[in-house]
Amino acid sequence: QSALTQPASLSGSLGQSITISCTGTNSDVGSYNLVSWYQQHPGRAPQVIIYDVTERPSGVSNRFSGSKSGNTASLTISGLQAEDEADYYCFSYAGSSTFEVIGGGTRLTV
Amino acid sequence: QVQVVQSGAELKRPGASVNISCTTSGYTFTTYYIHWVRQAPGQGLEWIGIINPSGGRTTYAEKFQGRVSLTTDTSTNTVFLALSSLRSEDTAVYYCARIRSLVHYDYWGQGTLVTVSS
Repeated sequence: QSALTQPASLSGSLGQSITISCTGTNSDVGSYNLVSWYQQHPGRAPQVIIYDVTERPSGVSNRFSGSKSGNTASLTISGLQAEDEADYYCFSYAGSSTFEVIGGGTRLTV
Repeated sequence: QVQVVQSGAELKRPGASVNISCTTSGYTFTTYYIHWVRQAPGQGLEWIGIINPSGGRTTYAEKFQGRVSLTTDTSTNTVFLALSSLRSEDTAVYYCARIRSLVHYDYWGQGTLVTVSS
């Protein structure tokens, strides 16, 4: 059982928007604005698409956006494209002893 | 440009140990921590630990404490992961990544498949 809860799967159509939730506790997501999201295509290493809850690395499409409310962080993908089909993981800082917790991953089908 | 390159696949017997290397280039090695996760076949990501290449301070996930060791060689800009007492459940792809900031991992290795089988 993962420390952060994500839906196991989601699906959307081309051009639609979808939101992936990531629910933690007040010891991790709720305490720190240190949530990141990673996209992983089959057979590839994960790639960061959102960090510090809302920040997007250079080169990442602005169709990806992040937010947080209380103990739940969210990743929104707008204007779904075929290449968005992948697994998505959320990470949260959880303090100096635990360090980090990871979501179980969401498989997005477009 | 920044590169992170891991060693090749390993096949190990139960009870053995494995050593995986993660060699970096394109930046000052001691400036950024290195982070390790693994991914069992068809499963999600699991955090293993982190190391500060400047001084070698480590933090390990509780699940791996006593069985894992992260070390560095600053002469070759390489981080090593050693995992002992291997069992079949350790079969996974192991990834290292550079830590840009807390839970922000910007450059990843290609992954190293470790298979534990008799």
